[in-house]
Amino acid sequence: QKEVEQDPGPLSVPEGAIVSLNCTYSNSAFQYFMWYRQYSRKGPELLMYTYSSGNKEDGRFTAQVDKSSKYISLFIRDSQPSDSATYLCAMSARYSGYALNFGKGTSLLVTP
Amino acid sequence: KAGVTQTPRYLIKTRGQQVTLSCSPISGHRSVSWYQQTPGQGLQFLFEYFSETQRNKGNFPGRFSGRQFSNSRSEMNVSTLELGDSALYLCASAPGLDDTGELFFGEGSRLTVL
Repeated sequence: QKEVEQDPGPLSVPEGAIVSLNCTYSNSAFQYFMWYRQYSRKGPELLMYTYSSGNKEDGRFTAQVDKSSKYISLFIRDSQPSDSATYLCAMSARYSGYALNFGKGTSLLVTP
Repeated sequence: KAGVTQTPRYLIKTRGQQVTLSCSPISGHRSVSWYQQTPGQGLQFLFEYFSETQRNKGNFPGRFSGRQFSNSRSEMNVSTLELGDSALYLCASAPGLDDTGELFFGEGSRLTVL
């Protein structure tokens, strides 16, 4: 069993919908939680970064971390066709540096 | 500010050969990490270099190696290639002064092993 589980999708939504993406994990040592977005034939780009539990909002994006349930979420409001990409959750433990543990990614398609 | 640059972008090798991939980090970044991305396993951490020293290593066989130069540029090498080494190899850089995990990725080198 991988330490980080993520539903691969694909997830298809109409433009303007609220999108919910989720990951579960098993390692209670994880303290840093990230969401990366990867367009086709591109490298991942960091979208959201959260330390420990709580919520973080940035424009149309909201990241939530529930360490008690070992569950993280990314919400996208007013989704746009340009949001169509693969979304990867990633997490790491303190002092593990840049050795991130990634989910396999959820493919999202936002249709006009 | 230029991003992370990886060369070559695409390459084809045959089993048993070796390959060297190159990465130039963002100016001022001292940490370079390498990841392997495959459809089956997703993104997997290979190793990280900081100031020319390997600081962290993932669970890959010794055929996978890397190094970092004094200008922070990095190379990774895979010897005795196997079919299963076909993947997108991603380099990522970071300032390296903390361990928050915020990485800046390049576009990757896509390796096909025949």
